[in-house]
Amino acid sequence: DAGITQSPRHKVTETGTPVTLRCHQTENHRYMYWYRQDPGHGLRLIHYSYGVKDTDKGEVSDGYSVSRSKTEDFLLTLESATSSQTSVYFCATQDSGVGYTFGSGTRLTVV
Amino acid sequence: QKEVEQNSGPLSVPEGAIASLNCTYSDRGSQSFFWYRQYSGKSPELIMFIYSNGDKEDGRFTAQLNKASQYVSLLIRDSQPSDSATYLCAVTYEKLVFGTGTRLLVSP
Repeated sequence: DAGITQSPRHKVTETGTPVTLRCHQTENHRYMYWYRQDPGHGLRLIHYSYGVKDTDKGEVSDGYSVSRSKTEDFLLTLESATSSQTSVYFCATQDSGVGYTFGSGTRLTVV
Repeated sequence: QKEVEQNSGPLSVPEGAIASLNCTYSDRGSQSFFWYRQYSGKSPELIMFIYSNGDKEDGRFTAQLNKASQYVSLLIRDSQPSDSATYLCAVTYEKLVFGTGTRLLVSP
């Protein structure tokens, strides 16, 4: 989606290293979300944000942290990457009352 | 634990047929219901949403909601090979909770 950019698109990292994924939106949407998608589990919510510096945990938040210092940017950090965090990560934004719009995703491999 | 259940499939239909995709959810308090389409290696794309009991039609797509039975369905009429994808049902429990998706295969 042109209004949501995720970077990097692909990343391979070593176990134990910190990793930061970036989500940038130009839609001025208040709500932003980080999901991970794994076979057999579908999309699971990691963290979400209702506005600048207003974040909260989702169902699979252990090992992850987030920050939102500007409306347009929502960062996801894996504090010390593990192989279980190998996944496809999607950022999503929401305009109030409507379904979410997803970015193109980041494929992360932890070796 | 809020749950959204879908048959993983694959659901195979011939071109031109009606594809029927089903979803059940656990919380009677859910207010909003969404269908996303996801092509392999791509991100989910919103195709339908429904808030009230009954049917909602948009082109070849019809979403059906039955809150008493906690059941949502998506009908795709005149199915095309380009409809082959995974269809994700999502339900609002404050935030969106997704099912694991149903893979649809439309054969020419």
